[in-house]
Amino acid sequence: DADVTQTPRNRITKTGKRIMLECSQTKGHDRMYWYRQDPGLGLRLIYYSFDVKDINKGEISDGYSVSRQAQAKFSLSLESAIPNQTALYFCATSDQGQGNSPLHFGNGTRLTVT
Amino acid sequence: GQSLEQPSEVTAVEGAIVQINCTYQTSGFYGLSWYQQHDGGAPTFLSYNALDGLEETGRFSSFLSRSDSYGYLLLQELQMKDSASYFCAVRARTGFQKLVFGTGTRLLVSP
Repeated sequence: DADVTQTPRNRITKTGKRIMLECSQTKGHDRMYWYRQDPGLGLRLIYYSFDVKDINKGEISDGYSVSRQAQAKFSLSLESAIPNQTALYFCATSDQGQGNSPLHFGNGTRLTVT
Repeated sequence: GQSLEQPSEVTAVEGAIVQINCTYQTSGFYGLSWYQQHDGGAPTFLSYNALDGLEETGRFSSFLSRSDSYGYLLLQELQMKDSASYFCAVRARTGFQKLVFGTGTRLLVSP
C-alpha cells in the first residue's frame, strides 16, 4: 500500500549532536515537506521540495537542513541539536500544489533533545 | 502572509453537533482545508472548500465564506472516535503554494 514512512519513530539525543530524520514515500509524489509540531502552535513548515532539484526554506528553517536524495526520499538534519528543537516532526507529500491536493503525512518522529 | 485562528478546545457529548471555527487573514489562497489528528497519530485530510458554501461528506461538513474570512467544520452525530485535534489550512496563491495550518482545535467528546 502506498505510504509515507518516517524513521526513526522516536529519538532521544544530546545537545550538540548531529541527527538525521529520514522520510521515504511510495506515492510517486513530486512534492515533499517537513513540518514541526509543538503543542499550541500547530504545524509549522521547515522545508519543502518541489522535486529533487528544488529545495526551499519554510517559515522555521534556522538550525535545520534537508537533502532530497531521490524523488522518494527527503531527509531532515539537525546539525547541532538544541533542546528547543524537541518536538514532533512530520514528513508529508502531495502530488501538486494547487487546489485540492491534500498532504499525506508520515506517522511522525518524536525527537527529544536533552 | 497567512494566519489562521481556531479555538483551542471544544467539548461536546456523543450524538451532539459541534462547529469548529477558523478565521483567517491572508493575502490570497486557493481554498480552505481541514485535517484531523488523533493523539499520537498523523494528520489526515478531511475536506476542502474551493468555493464559498457548504461541502458535505457524511457526518462532516465544511463551510467557507471568503467575504467574511471565515470557515468552519461541522461534525454531526458525534462519536467518541471523533475526539481529536482539527486543523484548518490554506494554500497560498503565491510562491510555492505551500499549505499553512491553523493552531488547531482539540475536540473532546464525552459519553
